[in-house]
Amino acid sequence: LAKTTQPISMDSYEGQEVNITCSHNNIATNDYITWYQQFPSQGPRFIIQGYKTKVTNEVASLFIPADRKSSTLSLPRVSLSDTAVYYCLVGDIGTNAGKSTFGDGTTLTVKP
Amino acid sequence: DGGITQSPKYLFRKEGQNVTLSCEQNLNHDAMYWYRQDPGQGLRLIYYSQIVNDFQKGDIAEGYSVSREKKESFPLTVTSAQKNPTAFYLCASSWSRGADTEAFFGQGTRLTVV
Repeated sequence: LAKTTQPISMDSYEGQEVNITCSHNNIATNDYITWYQQFPSQGPRFIIQGYKTKVTNEVASLFIPADRKSSTLSLPRVSLSDTAVYYCLVGDIGTNAGKSTFGDGTTLTVKP
Repeated sequence: DGGITQSPKYLFRKEGQNVTLSCEQNLNHDAMYWYRQDPGQGLRLIYYSQIVNDFQKGDIAEGYSVSREKKESFPLTVTSAQKNPTAFYLCASSWSRGADTEAFFGQGTRLTVV
């Protein structure tokens, strides 16, 4: 079971780039890395997913080194509305939810 | 409008009573999940189901029960055996094939037991 470790909290200012790292030392060969965003009293929302190297979509980038023991979510030019909790999930939830692990989340606070 | 619906949003129950949380999805997903979230903590898996009429225990199944009689529905019963039931409960669904799948979450049910 891949245990994940994330920083508990991070602060940033509007317009800056934010990088949040998740450590997952015993990631399995078939595991994907998925990041979710959660606002208070709401369900998490998918941000981005990757297996290796770099993935980019319209809201974020995900960097995964060759050994896959960590991953970094990059949010370009954050705004106040990006204040939320960010979770990394390691595993293959569709085929093996019992072995997919959410991290404890990183609370990102964006200041004006 | 496709999505996953949890009801009610807030639920209050007296200690010792069983309570059932509803979760319905119209995304035609095979798999459904229940997670529990406590203040300031991450998501912990209670039960999951990858196909109708089948489900598996997650990390914290004690004191909970589920059923999956229909593809669209995955209700969770919090029984009186659950020692600390007050929490935020999240239901999710996804495809069950392929490792590169994403989970779609409902808006959650906040259960308070007094």
